[in-house]
Amino acid sequence: KAGVTQTPRYLIKTRGQQVTLSCSPISGHRSVSWYQQTPGQGLQFLFEYFSETQRNKGNFPGRFSGRQFSNSRSEMNVSTLELGDSALYLCASSFDGNEQFFGPGTRLTVL
Amino acid sequence: GQQLNQSPQSMFIQEGEDVSMNCTSSSIFNTWLWYKQDPGEGPVLLIALYKAGELTSNGRLTAQFGITRKDSFLNISASIPSDVGIYFCAAPSSFGNEKLTFGTGTRLTIIP
Repeated sequence: KAGVTQTPRYLIKTRGQQVTLSCSPISGHRSVSWYQQTPGQGLQFLFEYFSETQRNKGNFPGRFSGRQFSNSRSEMNVSTLELGDSALYLCASSFDGNEQFFGPGTRLTVL
Repeated sequence: GQQLNQSPQSMFIQEGEDVSMNCTSSSIFNTWLWYKQDPGEGPVLLIALYKAGELTSNGRLTAQFGITRKDSFLNISASIPSDVGIYFCAAPSSFGNEKLTFGTGTRLTIIP
């Protein structure tokens, strides 16, 4: 069974731009969660989608948004990028249990 | 909010040594997860624990769910070079909404 895939793996943007990241969960998994990982803050929960509905949201500004499609694929969007948004963005999928399986991440660099 | 305190922050060991790390919280959890992350990659699930007192092994890795449900332990026996990386404990929110809280991580380095 294929694992969680994320595209792109690397991205360089400039301040003020917006970015969209994509995640394809493991086949059959309905839940997709997004996390931001930085050296200073560690792994921080962004939001979780289940059956196209946002089920939970972390403490991030409204510039961070996401959505899930009917095939469970998910995208997250960050608008008006700031330097502090540079991070590894991780997507994790779960069937509907506690075990979350992570993708390789998208490394976003904001210049 | 719920926080997981992981220790030690880093470990420097020689190949072949055993490793122990733990994760504690002031909150009670029903599940404990242990992940390993290599540089530039996503965390990989190593072991999942669902019952207080449970002891689960995965090869050379053994993890335990603390009796108080506020802590968990991970042991690695006879370490090898590929064990290098950052180990995270994680636990789902007590509200059961799929939100994982992560520990701060233990960075394992093997000294040649």
